[in-house]
Amino acid sequence: GENVEQHPSTLSVQEGDSAVIKCTYSDSASNYFPWYKQELGKRPQLIIDIRSNVGEKKDQRIAVTLNKTAKHFSLHITETQPEDSAVYFCAGRDSWGKLQFGAGTQVVVTP
Amino acid sequence: NAGVTQTPKFQVLKTGQSMTLQCAQDMNHEYMSWYRQDPGMGLRLIHYSVGAGITDQGEVPNGYNVSRSTTEDFPLRLLSAAPSQTSVYFCASGKTGVRTGELFFGEGSRLTVL
Repeated sequence: GENVEQHPSTLSVQEGDSAVIKCTYSDSASNYFPWYKQELGKRPQLIIDIRSNVGEKKDQRIAVTLNKTAKHFSLHITETQPEDSAVYFCAGRDSWGKLQFGAGTQVVVTP
Repeated sequence: NAGVTQTPKFQVLKTGQSMTLQCAQDMNHEYMSWYRQDPGMGLRLIHYSVGAGITDQGEVPNGYNVSRSTTEDFPLRLLSAAPSQTSVYFCASGKTGVRTGELFFGEGSRLTVL
């Protein structure tokens, strides 16, 4: 089955700086890699995703890169703002739909 | 569209009691799943289903049963609750196969076992 590892577990950045979260996955059958943001007491919300036939995807201040050969994918947040403070989860999903999450990264953006 | 609906939102049980967490979706999704999230922890897959009549175990299935008699519903049963099952439970659904994409989450059910 899929095993997704995520680093770092906590990330503190100054407002305006960039944040990078890295994940690795084990299952070659995984073909879809979403990133979820979870605010305290709320459900996870999808912020960006990438499929295995794409190397990079960008949406305003967030971007995701995927290296299929190395089984790495990363989330990049530029010009961080206090509202970016949350827990971020990467995940790998195989073609059946089974989704395995990484352990999460607590991002704290300090003004 | 109501999306993914979970009930109840909060529940307190005594050790040994049984209960069912309900999950329903109105998006005609083939895939449905249950996750648990402990304080400060990630989301761990309990059970999942890729269609009516088909279920399989995730990483932490012990103490939980599921069934999928219809496309819309995927209840999670605790037969004999234990304090270790105190957690927040999320139901999620999505498409499968070539249409694999976003997983939609319910609002969560907070369960306390005394």
